[in-house]
Amino acid sequence: AAGVIQSPRHLIKEKRETATLKCYPIPRHDTVYWYQQGPGQDPQFLISFYEKMQSDKGSIPDRFSAQQFSDYHSELNMSSLELGDSALYFCASSPRRVKGYTFGSGTRLTVV
Amino acid sequence: AQSVTQLGSHVSVSEGALVLLRCNYSSSVPPYLFWYVQYPNQGLQLLLKYTSAATLVKGINGFEAEFKKSETSFHLTKPSAHMSDAAEYFCAVTSLQGAQKLVFGQGTRLTINP
Repeated sequence: AAGVIQSPRHLIKEKRETATLKCYPIPRHDTVYWYQQGPGQDPQFLISFYEKMQSDKGSIPDRFSAQQFSDYHSELNMSSLELGDSALYFCASSPRRVKGYTFGSGTRLTVV
Repeated sequence: AQSVTQLGSHVSVSEGALVLLRCNYSSSVPPYLFWYVQYPNQGLQLLLKYTSAATLVKGINGFEAEFKKSETSFHLTKPSAHMSDAAEYFCAVTSLQGAQKLVFGQGTRLTINP
């Protein structure tokens, strides 16, 4: 079965650089969620999209932005990276009317 | 607002012993509850979920959880621990309505002693 695809799997950036993380949801899943998991932490909700519109917003810094495209894939754009942004970033997708969140394998971002 | 509390950040059991990981939730609306497992440097894998049907939910790898509304709990159990069960376990809650985000607990690291 198709899963949630995230790219890249690993990313190393320097401070003040920018990064773009991509998420391809399961076909026919219309909702995408982004989470950030710091070392030894539980996943923290960043932002979600339903039918290409932002549906909820969590603890996402102003330096970050995200969008969902017409093919339902989503991108998380991160600018002016800081050391504290080093984390595992997960994307999850779900059909709106069925509670079935499926997580991708994550992108590990390291800021040096 | 919804929240989840996992009692015990670390749990250690012997191989073959009962596994019990505790989760209590807070929700002003009927909840949907999930348990996820995370192995080192890997993603989140769904173990099981409660979606307002049967209160005793069976998941993968021999795990099960019971939804107890009176106790606002959703504890995860496995009768006999296996070495491969060593991982981080997260309890999460969301609501029935709409495209709602998952709210995670702090996680419980399960260690299996040989």
